Amino acid sequence: QQPVQSPQAVILREGEDAVINCSSSKALYSVHWYRQKHGEAPVFLMILLKGGEQKGHEKISASFNEKKQQSSLYLTASQLSYSGTYFCGTVSYNTDKLIFGTGTRLQVFP
Amino acid sequence: DTEVTQTPKHLVMGMTNKKSLKCEQHMGHRAMYWYKQKAKKPPELMFVYSYEKLSINESVPSRFSPECPNSSLLNLHLHALQPEDSALYLCASSPRTSGAYEQYFGPGTRLTVT
Repeated sequence: QQPVQSPQAVILREGEDAVINCSSSKALYSVHWYRQKHGEAPVFLMILLKGGEQKGHEKISASFNEKKQQSSLYLTASQLSYSGTYFCGTVSYNTDKLIFGTGTRLQVFP
Repeated sequence: DTEVTQTPKHLVMGMTNKKSLKCEQHMGHRAMYWYKQKAKKPPELMFVYSYEKLSINESVPSRFSPECPNSSLLNLHLHALQPEDSALYLCASSPRTSGAYEQYFGPGTRLTVT
């Protein structure tokens, strides 16, 4: 039931790009993306609803494939501040529960 | 003001103690949540309040007792906890409970049960 994210971890140099994937076994109403830095609370990045995508931040965008029940987060020209653990969160139809994915740890080095 | 505040930041309690966690938001949100997060794991939903009424209880043990005194406040009362309950407890709020709305998280209370 918990969405599965891949990869589990990513190491980047500044300026490199990354893609994080989120896959669910359930039909999805929405997909949320959050970033959590060590010792801090999750911070909302963006939400994707049926039929579209919403860009929440510059150089960070996402897509939502409803048929495949998958979402991908794209980070371009990574910055040191992008380091942290990225979680997708999914909401299925007929429920208000946000279920967080397994997480992807991203580290960006100079 | 897009802030969710939580107190205390840290809490150490014995297994026989009674303590409470507090969460507050002034964004006019009508949905509030409690999550539990263990180290290197994703947050796990515990409770959802919608318009000050409990709408979801994820089969949480009765030693955790939530309370929503008004639309801005959310409490989590703790009693007779176990060491495995040690975790980061996160509060969140959103305009409504619909999956169309983002959730804003507080900084959390790091709980240690001895």
